[in-house]
Order: sequence, then structure tokens, then C-alpha cells
Amino acid sequence: SQKIEQNSEALNIQEGKTATLTCNYTNYSPAYLQWYRQDPGRGPVFLLLIRENEKEKRKERLKVTFDTTLKQSLFHITASQPADSATYLCALDGPGYSSASKIIFGSGTRLSIRP
Amino acid sequence: DTAVSQTPKYLVTQMGNDKSIKCEQNLGHDTMYWYKQDSKKFLKIMFSYNNKELIINETVPNRFSPKSPDKAHLNLHINSLELGDSAVYFCASSQKTAEAFFGQGTRLTVV
Repeated sequence: SQKIEQNSEALNIQEGKTATLTCNYTNYSPAYLQWYRQDPGRGPVFLLLIRENEKEKRKERLKVTFDTTLKQSLFHITASQPADSATYLCALDGPGYSSASKIIFGSGTRLSIRP
Repeated sequence: DTAVSQTPKYLVTQMGNDKSIKCEQNLGHDTMYWYKQDSKKFLKIMFSYNNKELIINETVPNRFSPKSPDKAHLNLHINSLELGDSAVYFCASSQKTAEAFFGQGTRLTVV
């Protein structure tokens, strides 16, 4: 069955540095990949979506890459700030169904930015 | 305006009871979901509905019964609650762009 792995459970970096989070997937070729942010006690909030025919997408200090050969996405936060501290989730459209009918999530990476 | 709202936010109940969680979205989306987030924070899909029709049931025990009276509502009824059902349950909706909007979650504690 399809599998999504975010290979760092937690990441701790200095303010101002670039945070890089990794998402790998197996046994599947998704049409698109998404990144979400989740704060404690809240629901996930959508950040970025990248399609299989796109290599890179940017939004303000965020950048996402999608390598369908490596089956990997990288999520970058440049000039990181303590307010960026949260859990970041990678998500894919699930296989075997129309793209809007199933979104499956990785286990998340808890990012901490220290001042 | 809240896009996806679910009630209640907290639910504490005894084993064996039956409870319901309600969800409503005002985004006009065709697809609604229920997810379960366990103590390890893993977000697992339970059900997906498209225009009131059940599309996905991810091997959830049949004690869990979703109901969608219209495409803006997706409720979750749980019979005979067990300790292992304790978790945070999230409702979400999406349209063809697939960006999902989540509710604030319902923290269910079974004692």
C-alpha cells in the first residue's frame, strides 16, 4: 500500500536559518502533493500545493519542490522565525479514487525555531 | 465566518455510550472527510463523502457510522464507545483543487 514518510519527527534550528523538511512516498504516483501547518490544539491549515508536472512552487518565505523520480518533496522556510514553530504535514491525493476524494497525510515534522 | 465548524469541541463520555459529532461547511465543497488523530499525532483518514455519497471507508469499525444529510453536513455517530476511541476527530472539506479545510477538532475522551 502507499506510504508517506516524513523522516524527521522533530527539527530544531536557529532563528534566521532555513528550515528544510523532507517528505518521501512509495508505491504510488500522486497527481499532487500538499503541505499543511498544524499548531497545538488546532486543525491543519493548508500552505502550498504542487502538481506532478511542477518542479517548484513558492509563497513568500516558503518553497516546495517535487521530484517525482525520487518520489520526494522538500519544504523550505527561509529566514525562519520563532512564529514558524509548528508541526508540518505532507499530504498526497490517494490512489484509486478521484483526486478530491482522498487525502492522506504523513506523520508530520515538529519544527522548533529557537531565538 | 467559520469555514468548517464541528461540535462539540470536547467530549468526555463513559465506555459503552453512544455519541455524535456534527460538522458543517459553508464553502460549497463537494467532498467532506473525517480524520482521526491519535496520541502520536498521526492524522488518519476514516471516511470520505462526495456529494452526500460515501466514497471511502478506511476499514473503520462499523460502530462508526457517518451520515451526510446534504453536501454541507457530515456527522459522525459512534456506538458502544471504547477506550481506544479516545482521540481528536477532525472534519474537513475540499473541492477539486484538493486543498482541504479543517475544523477545529473534537477531542473525545472515553473513560
